[in-house]
Amino acid sequence: QKEVEQNSGPLSVPEGAIASLNCTYSDRGSQSFFWYRQYSGKSPELIMFIYSNGDKEDGRFTAQLNKASQYVSLLIRDSQPSDSATYLCAVLSGNTPLVFGKGTRLSVIA
Amino acid sequence: DAGITQSPRYKITETGRQVTLMCHQTWSHSYMFWYRQDLGHGLRLIYYSAAADITDKGEVPDGYVVSRSKTENFPLTLESATRSQTSVYFCASSEDRDYGYTFGSGTRLTVV
Repeated sequence: QKEVEQNSGPLSVPEGAIASLNCTYSDRGSQSFFWYRQYSGKSPELIMFIYSNGDKEDGRFTAQLNKASQYVSLLIRDSQPSDSATYLCAVLSGNTPLVFGKGTRLSVIA
Repeated sequence: DAGITQSPRYKITETGRQVTLMCHQTWSHSYMFWYRQDLGHGLRLIYYSAAADITDKGEVPDGYVVSRSKTENFPLTLESATRSQTSVYFCASSEDRDYGYTFGSGTRLTVV
């Protein structure tokens, strides 16, 4: 069973700070990694994906991947109250569809 | 409307009844998926489809049936609903297996 682990939170950060969300995965052969944001009562929305080791930046978001440690993270710079949501990590391995973590709830305090 | 749409948004049904959740996408994406989301379990894959007439089981397929006679539609049927199938159901689609998925708005199903 391929597993994706996230701390459920809540992770509370003050407005303007950096929020750091972490995810580990069990299948060493995993090749693609995705971050989704889900507001309460809404559907998941893709915000970042990363395939290669290192960092990938998109606006205030940075995804970091370390395949040797089987670790992927999402950094949100200059956090805003509108960033308050649950963040889902998802991993693609082999021929199977995305496996999702249970999500980390982020709360940005104004 | 362009995109991926699910219907109904909310459904209450009785134990033992058959219920079908609909999913329609306008992008002609090859891949379509059904997930359920429950507190404490996150998103779990029920069934998926790589193309019309091709479907495969996910992590939690028992009690569910799918079909895909047309690329744009991927209905999910609960043959005899049970209380344990009370959940939020999300349909998703993707152009390619390695791409991220786009989710529909979800169907909140309550089995009483």
